[in-house]
Amino acid sequence: AQKVTQAQTEISVVEKEDVTLDCVYETRDTTYYLFWYKQPPSGELVFLIRRNSFDEQNEISGRYSWNFQKSTSSFNFTITASQVVDSAVYFCALILSGGYNKLIFGAGTRLAVHP
Amino acid sequence: DSGVTQTPKHLITATGQRVTLRCSPRSGDLSVYWYQQSLDQGLQFLIQYYNGEERAKGNILERFSAQQFPDLHSELNLSSLELGDSALYFCASSALTGGNEQFFGPGTRLTVL
Repeated sequence: AQKVTQAQTEISVVEKEDVTLDCVYETRDTTYYLFWYKQPPSGELVFLIRRNSFDEQNEISGRYSWNFQKSTSSFNFTITASQVVDSAVYFCALILSGGYNKLIFGAGTRLAVHP
Repeated sequence: DSGVTQTPKHLITATGQRVTLRCSPRSGDLSVYWYQQSLDQGLQFLIQYYNGEERAKGNILERFSAQQFPDLHSELNLSSLELGDSALYFCASSALTGGNEQFFGPGTRLTVL
């Protein structure tokens, strides 16, 4: 079965702290794609990153970084020096190969960054 | 701004009624997807269209239907509405299919009273 698990329901940090959001996925496919989306309080879903299963290189974009480890089926997201504007719900998602392009979302992690 | 537009932003209606949600994809995108976000079910895929043809179906109820028009905009029709259909409905688009990133519209919040 294909599944995405975000075990952390809510995380609360103080500004400037580093925070890691965990994502564990399940699939038997060898080709798949992993995503992170951000949903701020305004409600829209904002695309952050896409990774395919053959590219295990970690990625850094400003204060954001992602760690993809196939050995543990994890695709974790770290925010360095968090800011109040990072407060949002973050979703990890999976697309399998084979023509079905549906995003399989995790339940999301609500991040609250306090000043 | 993702470039995907959805109308209306909010919709309040009564049980048993029928509504139509509209989506315009990003310029050049051929694929359109519909998702439902509710408190109990989370974000669920409903249906995908690619260049006017239905490509994939998720847990979409028989009371719901969608189509993609020649100009690539899409409509999601919800009929015989029930209280449980209250949710945020998102449209997303992507250039092609097969793992491409999907860009989401602002959503339509449907409230069924």
